Amino acid sequence: DSGVTQTPKHLITATGQRVTLRCSPRSGDLSVYWYQQSLDQGLQFLIHYYNGEERAKGNILERFSAQQFPDLHSELNLSSLELGDSALYFCASSGGPGRNYGYTFGSGTRLTVV
Amino acid sequence: GDSVTQMEGPVTLSEEAFLTINCTYTATGYPSLFWYVQYPGEGLQLLLKATKADDKGSNKGFEATYRKETTSFHLEKGSVQVSDSAVYFCALSAVMNRDDKIIFGKGTRLHILP
Repeated sequence: DSGVTQTPKHLITATGQRVTLRCSPRSGDLSVYWYQQSLDQGLQFLIHYYNGEERAKGNILERFSAQQFPDLHSELNLSSLELGDSALYFCASSGGPGRNYGYTFGSGTRLTVV
Repeated sequence: GDSVTQMEGPVTLSEEAFLTINCTYTATGYPSLFWYVQYPGEGLQLLLKATKADDKGSNKGFEATYRKETTSFHLEKGSVQVSDSAVYFCALSAVMNRDDKIIFGKGTRLHILP
């Protein structure tokens, strides 16, 4: 157990729907990062939150949004889902700058859009 | 922009063979470099890291040396085991808008035959 908890583990939904993925970081970690892993694109950085504030955005679609709450858990909201959004979504947390600490990853949420 | 290129897999070896997985990078500044490993059905785990040139990261018999002159961070292990079968990701920290994020290579799948 890495200490980073993601729920749900699996999600199957239809095109056009909206889903919410949840992440609880490791105890004491203030940073949460979201990544999308697909077979053709590899691991793509989506967004980084630090102590409730958005710090950096990567290749995140406008249909996607995220937030980090006062208890430091984070949610990734995916709307108007398309077949191409099917992927593994990982959350990671860090206790300090990524360059010094690296990230601790959760086990991911597998999203299937049908 | 910053990027990581690693050898494509799959790589298939017999148990006790010597392993090298090549990784090169492009980055501005002086990034930290990482190797992560992903076992089936799990999230990524930090395997080793190096934060400055000539540093050697090591863990579980794996080693990688940060070579600034060749912009490389090749992963090596002297004698692989069946349990080393996994996907290995080379990664670097990058600074974007004064925030650091980790950029991953596409991953190399390793199969070890008994």
